[in-house]
Amino acid sequence: DTAVSQTPKYLVTQMGNDKSIKCEQNLGHDTMYWYKQDSKKFLKIMFSYNNKELIINETVPNRFSPKSPDKAHLNLHINSLELGDSAVYFCASSNRDRNTEAFFGQGTRLTVV
Amino acid sequence: AQSVTQLDSQVPVFEEAPVELRCNYSSSVSVYLFWYVQYPNQGLQLLLKYLSGSTLVKGINGFEAEFNKSQTSFHLRKPSVHISDTAEYFCAVTSGGYQKVTFGTGTKLQVIP
Repeated sequence: DTAVSQTPKYLVTQMGNDKSIKCEQNLGHDTMYWYKQDSKKFLKIMFSYNNKELIINETVPNRFSPKSPDKAHLNLHINSLELGDSAVYFCASSNRDRNTEAFFGQGTRLTVV
Repeated sequence: AQSVTQLDSQVPVFEEAPVELRCNYSSSVSVYLFWYVQYPNQGLQLLLKYLSGSTLVKGINGFEAEFNKSQTSFHLRKPSVHISDTAEYFCAVTSGGYQKVTFGTGTKLQVIP
């Protein structure tokens, strides 16, 4: 009964590779997010989608491309991975019309070697 | 623009002692405030939130926080901590819906047996 699920939980890959992280929520929320948490635990929003429409796109390299096939899914594709991309990536979801909190996935620890 | 400051990066405290984790925010408009907890290798879990009404907010696991508009603070407190409270705690603020939430840099609570 996981509310927000991400796969994979761990991802180790070489520089230059392309990888994807998948996220699904079964809460019926209309908004989904990707956050990046760096080694100092600083949490920063990357993207936000509302009903499959991109509404927030922070200063993120073009190598990062989110895709939302439907409002229950928000995947993150990363091209040409770099060492600095190593971090924990969190997916989250909420309802836009209600100022309620977001529910977070367990995170994907990406290590680029 | 809004911002959140968590002045203490680490707070060590003995088991069964009280604790206060400090959070100050800045915003030119009305805000909603949140405290999240992150246990090791886990996602973020909501502890409590302030949207409106009573300034004293009670959350899960015996935590509470008080919204102080004049001091622009939202400090988190617990009268008696347990070993299981050892985790990273994040304060967050939004004035424009959850999609624009800003997180603090986190405070690591270390409960000492």
